[in-house]
Amino acid sequence: DAKTTQPTSMDCAEGRAANLPCNHSTISGNEYVYWYRQIHSQGPQYIIHGLKNNETNEMASLIITEDRKSSTLILPHATLRDTAVYYCIVRVTNSGYALNFGKGTSLLVTP
Amino acid sequence: NAGVTQTPKFRVLKTGQSMTLLCAQDMNHEYMYWYRQDPGMGLRLIHYSVGEGTTAKGEVPDGYNVSRLKKQNFLLGLESAAPSQTSVYFCASSYLQATGELFFGEGSRLTVL
Repeated sequence: DAKTTQPTSMDCAEGRAANLPCNHSTISGNEYVYWYRQIHSQGPQYIIHGLKNNETNEMASLIITEDRKSSTLILPHATLRDTAVYYCIVRVTNSGYALNFGKGTSLLVTP
Repeated sequence: NAGVTQTPKFRVLKTGQSMTLLCAQDMNHEYMYWYRQDPGMGLRLIHYSVGEGTTAKGEVPDGYNVSRLKKQNFLLGLESAAPSQTSVYFCASSYLQATGELFFGEGSRLTVL
């Protein structure tokens, strides 16, 4: 699986969009980009995933660059409850193997 | 529908004691996983299973054993606990035709004195 690079921490004001970047320059053609988040002491929660097209669901949007070497997770209107560690993971789907979680980005949403 | 349930949620052990963590899922998932998370770190895979009766080693398997006798249950055992195994343990499960979405339990906090 390709390695990912994320900033250690970020801040965002409540109500503003939170844009969390992820670099995955060694991604291969059949690898997906996944985003999870972990709110303090809880189990990680799936957010979204994509291959090459931009994706949106009720939680967030995922923007993947055309060369697929980087992506951005967008929380359109951040709330205090979005304060969490966000993990960007690259993996081949349907492989049956577990996702490799790095240290992620610690997002702090402030009032 | 409880999802993924871990028991116990908290446990304190003395060095050398043994214990078993139980993970149960009611979603009929084929794949199950055990991770550990140490302070300030991401999750590291201990063992996983791709189906009933099968198990495989992950990134940090030493000191742990697992069993998957029933599809819905995945047990993690510590035969002789060590202080280095003090951690928060998370169980997860996913579908056979996985989209990559793992469903996690709430974690089990283990302290080894």
